[in-house]
Amino acid sequence: DIVMTQSPDSLAVSLGERATINCKSSQSVFYSSNNKNYLTWYQQKPGQPPKMVIYWASTRESGVPDRFSGSGSGTDFTLTISSLQAEDVAVYYCQQYYSTPYTFGQGTKLEIK
Amino acid sequence: VQLVESGGGLVQPGGSLRLFCSASGFTFSNYAMHWVRQAPGKGLEYVSGISGNEGSTDYADSVKGRFTISRDNSKNTLYLQMSSLKTEDTALYYCARADSSGWYAPFDFWGQGTLVTVSS
Repeated sequence: DIVMTQSPDSLAVSLGERATINCKSSQSVFYSSNNKNYLTWYQQKPGQPPKMVIYWASTRESGVPDRFSGSGSGTDFTLTISSLQAEDVAVYYCQQYYSTPYTFGQGTKLEIK
Repeated sequence: VQLVESGGGLVQPGGSLRLFCSASGFTFSNYAMHWVRQAPGKGLEYVSGISGNEGSTDYADSVKGRFTISRDNSKNTLYLQMSSLKTEDTALYYCARADSSGWYAPFDFWGQGTLVTVSS
């Protein structure tokens, strides 16, 4: 199974500042035949189900604010929130869908400093 | 798009339970479906998936041989038959839609979950 490791486990950022969350996979999730990274980011707010915010490592889901961006390729990925808003407080998970069983990172709890 | 899970509850270790996920707002047979669980206060764990045409299934090692995923496209319903339940199966079980009829696609919609508690 592919192991997904996120860092840090928790993060406190001031309103308006940049938040950066990292995700590393134990093997590459890049498929060269279609030039895609099989990596998604989910946001989970308390008491709610996860919500997809980024897929194919860097494609923003419809309706997600453009302060959210995803980058990286192969085994190393980053979710960046350029200017943190209060409503961004959540736990963020990365997930690979390159091979089954699909696996998630352990989550990163994002809070306001 | 709406996914509504049901069937959760309290069950003793070694017991069985069947979960349901009722789908609406989209052509159910065109999408692969998955179950993901979340133990209280913990992270997300992939449980099982099934392709849109019911041709293939997949399971996490932790549930293989104990859980069975199935779907009825005529009823727009996804199922998870759970047997030989263990205390570590206690979790909120979500159903999620994959953005494809086959494998290797992100989960674009999730239900609210149904709680399974395994305890004596």
